[in-house]
Amino acid sequence: GAVVSQHPSWVICKSGTSVKIECRSLDFQATTMFWYRQFPKQSLMLMATSNEGSKATYEQGVEKDKFLINHASLTLSTLTVTSAHPEDSSFYICSARDGPPAYNEQFFGPGTRLTVL
Amino acid sequence: RKEVEQDPGPFNVPEGATVAFNCTYSNSASQSFFWYRQDCRKEPKLLMSVYSSGNEDGRFTAQLNRASQYISLLIRDSKLSDSATYLCVVNKAAGNKLTFGGGTRVLVKP
Repeated sequence: GAVVSQHPSWVICKSGTSVKIECRSLDFQATTMFWYRQFPKQSLMLMATSNEGSKATYEQGVEKDKFLINHASLTLSTLTVTSAHPEDSSFYICSARDGPPAYNEQFFGPGTRLTVL
Repeated sequence: RKEVEQDPGPFNVPEGATVAFNCTYSNSASQSFFWYRQDCRKEPKLLMSVYSSGNEDGRFTAQLNRASQYISLLIRDSKLSDSATYLCVVNKAAGNKLTFGGGTRVLVKP
């Protein structure tokens, strides 16, 4: 199957700093990428949908100025958590789709565990 | 009410036994259904899609009941390696956004 990578796999930062997470599709071109967040013992919650070359679509309740998403190429999307606070500590997972909306499978990255002190 | 609901478990299953669990969804317009498996501190991985007629993949059998709006997963001859959280995932036709259930934790014990 298709491979999606994320970097870094984990990060610890001080409160108030910004953290950038990269999501790459390694062997296919991803027209759409998705960013999810998962708190401990909870399920994945979609944060935003990112289409290459256009602005991301954020889910209700997700602050677009706090979670900046850039999808500059067909193989790379980045999520920047600006001015991170302890409540932003979570497991951030991206996924990518290589086909039109009718083709449903999304391939998930390995996730990035963010801890904000 | 959550869009996708699952019994969180854990289901403690003796090795070799059969375990089955359901997932209910609230949106009758949902079009696609999946079971994902997630191991601790890892990303979810697609286990199988769920088709209207039901489908089987080795020891795993998935069923869809549109009238009652639930899907099920049955694991036969459980292995220790089947221990994981099983996520029910539903996709509405428009927008192609996946909605995840909270997961059902399965622990297979010797």
